[in-house]
Amino acid sequence: DTGVSQDPRHKITKRGQNVTFRCDPISEHNRLYWYRQTLGQGPEFLTYFQNEAQLEKSRLLSDRFSAERPKGSFSTLEIQRTEQGDSAMYLCASSKGGGLWDEQYFGPGTRLTVT
Amino acid sequence: SQQGEEDPQALSIQEGENATMNCSYKTSINNLQWYRQNSGRGLVHLILIRSNEREKHSGRLRVTLDTSKKSSSLLITASRAADTASYFCATELTGAGSYQLTFGKGTKLSVIP
Repeated sequence: DTGVSQDPRHKITKRGQNVTFRCDPISEHNRLYWYRQTLGQGPEFLTYFQNEAQLEKSRLLSDRFSAERPKGSFSTLEIQRTEQGDSAMYLCASSKGGGLWDEQYFGPGTRLTVT
Repeated sequence: SQQGEEDPQALSIQEGENATMNCSYKTSINNLQWYRQNSGRGLVHLILIRSNEREKHSGRLRVTLDTSKKSSSLLITASRAADTASYFCATELTGAGSYQLTFGKGTKLSVIP
């Protein structure tokens, strides 16, 4: 399978715990994005990487959230001291870059439930 | 905040009928994309239309874009039960720099066999 993969697919955690999600983009895709989706809503942008550089972060990304893409390939999203409001689907997407019109390909998502 | 707004929020049709969904947005865009999402799953890219294009086709899909009205429509012809899903429009804003997409809340389509 050469699509975007995410791990884990589901995560249940207790409030206050830290969680980390992983995203493996399509190989050779330079751009990587994280989005968050809550029930009944469309995805909302969290952050964007061009290769290993994190170029933009949404105001939604509080200081409890940190994302990395250390070698310009896979990425991790960590949430520290989770809160119930963090419960959502976390989606990763990647795109090839290099042009003005860039299709983003999404992974299956990691569903986080904070109890 | 959501840039795009889909209309209707929910649509129920019989198999074989056509389904039309609309999307309105607020600011200048580079392109507009439509995605499908099956219940609780990731998004599947359907079609991208550039700001200088007015209509695009892909299989049973037809997308139109009217930048003067800041609106787009997605037409699915000869619908099938497998088309049951939520459909989202997403816009890439002019000058966004990061190419981030801004999504609407989606239209939930139910195709009844």
